[in-house]
Amino acid sequence: AQSVAQPEDQVNVAEGNPLTVKCTYSVSGNPYLFWYVQYPNRGLQFLLKYITGDNLVKGSYGFEAEFNKSQTSFHLKKPSALVSDSALYFCAVRSSSGNTPLVFGKGTRLSVIA
Amino acid sequence: EAGVAQSPRYKIIEKRQSVAFWCNPISGHATLYWYQQILGQGPKLLIQFQNNGVVDDSQLPKDRFSAERLKGVDSTLKIQPAKLEDSAVYLCASHSLAYQETQYFGPGTRLLVL
Repeated sequence: AQSVAQPEDQVNVAEGNPLTVKCTYSVSGNPYLFWYVQYPNRGLQFLLKYITGDNLVKGSYGFEAEFNKSQTSFHLKKPSALVSDSALYFCAVRSSSGNTPLVFGKGTRLSVIA
Repeated sequence: EAGVAQSPRYKIIEKRQSVAFWCNPISGHATLYWYQQILGQGPKLLIQFQNNGVVDDSQLPKDRFSAERLKGVDSTLKIQPAKLEDSAVYLCASHSLAYQETQYFGPGTRLLVL
């Protein structure tokens, strides 16, 4: 069965500092990995994805994530946080083998403090 | 390109009443999903359509939930009768036929059952 773990319910970071939001996964076969962001009263917005190729993936708004197969991780990072980055972040995974559903983590709330 | 449209945005009903949600996916997207997002959790898949056929409805509570996508475009999700635990945000997402493609989400319908 597929699963995603986001071990931190909340991450606090000062504006201008680097941020990391952690994600580990479990999936049969090779993973397709996604990060989404959710602002209050809004749907999920796509940030970036890993399908294949380079382990470092760059996405929207200066975010990037590194796929680490040996650690089954896909942590989201940004070199310099902005107050406007404050939101709820979701990691999601599906297997590359077959039409399996996208499974989401429970989310991590990021708070960037000015 | 227009995004995924959903209506209504908010709905308040009493338990045992019925309610319906509507979704219009991005033009040309063959695959459509309905998710349930309970407060403090990640989205959970309810049903997946490919064109007008059901691909996966294994997590849909079929005694009270139903969904259809008759012409392979718009979709409706119905709850009858509603229970208190159905209070959640109902998200619609779509993507093109290739299953490694990104799912794009609508703004969601926030349902409160009293």
